[in-house]
Amino acid sequence: EPEVTQTPSHQVTQMGQEVILRCVPISNHLYFYWYRQILGQKVEFLVSFYNNEISEKSEIFDDQFSVERPDGSNFTLKIRSTKLEDSAMYFCASNSGQGESPLHFGNGTRLTVT
Amino acid sequence: RKEVEQDPGPFNVPEGATVAFNCTYSNSASQSFFWYRQDCRKEPKLLMSVYSSGNEDGRFTAQLNRASQYISLLIRDSKLSDSATYLCVVSFPYNFNKFYFGSGTKLNVKP
Repeated sequence: EPEVTQTPSHQVTQMGQEVILRCVPISNHLYFYWYRQILGQKVEFLVSFYNNEISEKSEIFDDQFSVERPDGSNFTLKIRSTKLEDSAMYFCASNSGQGESPLHFGNGTRLTVT
Repeated sequence: RKEVEQDPGPFNVPEGATVAFNCTYSNSASQSFFWYRQDCRKEPKLLMSVYSSGNEDGRFTAQLNRASQYISLLIRDSKLSDSATYLCVVSFPYNFNKFYFGSGTKLNVKP
């Protein structure tokens, strides 16, 4: 069964550094998402992406965040200047866009900002 | 008001018990409904979609009540391996394909 893949599984970075989290969505899917989950808290929506542009973003997704689909397969989340409070699990998800289809999640990247 | 609300639990039940969770949603235009299971520090995994007529998958039964705007998940004959957090998700596939998550209900199945 096709999967969403994310790399790296764990990223440690120093405050103020830039990080890029990478995702390869399922190949025939049309909608891509980033979510984050701070330890012990709920899954929070960051951004959705469709047709090579952001379709929606949350209040969390401020100017330090950006997303890109640099080629036909990768979908990246960049955090420009990391803060301690950016430490969380970041999940990429994709959806086929066909009717009432579910989200498919990658196995996440654990970001630790020190 | 939150789009999707769940009782956070935890629900502590013995093995073999039957347990049920409810989830309420605020927007009557919600169109698709799902239950996901999430283990600690892991990604949410689709447990089952919820159809208007209700659906069953082994020990799991999901139901939708559009009039009262809630969905439910029933787990029969609980196993230790059912211990996890169960997330309720509603979506609007015809409105920018939005998905809204509940905060999850934690289930602990004890021997």
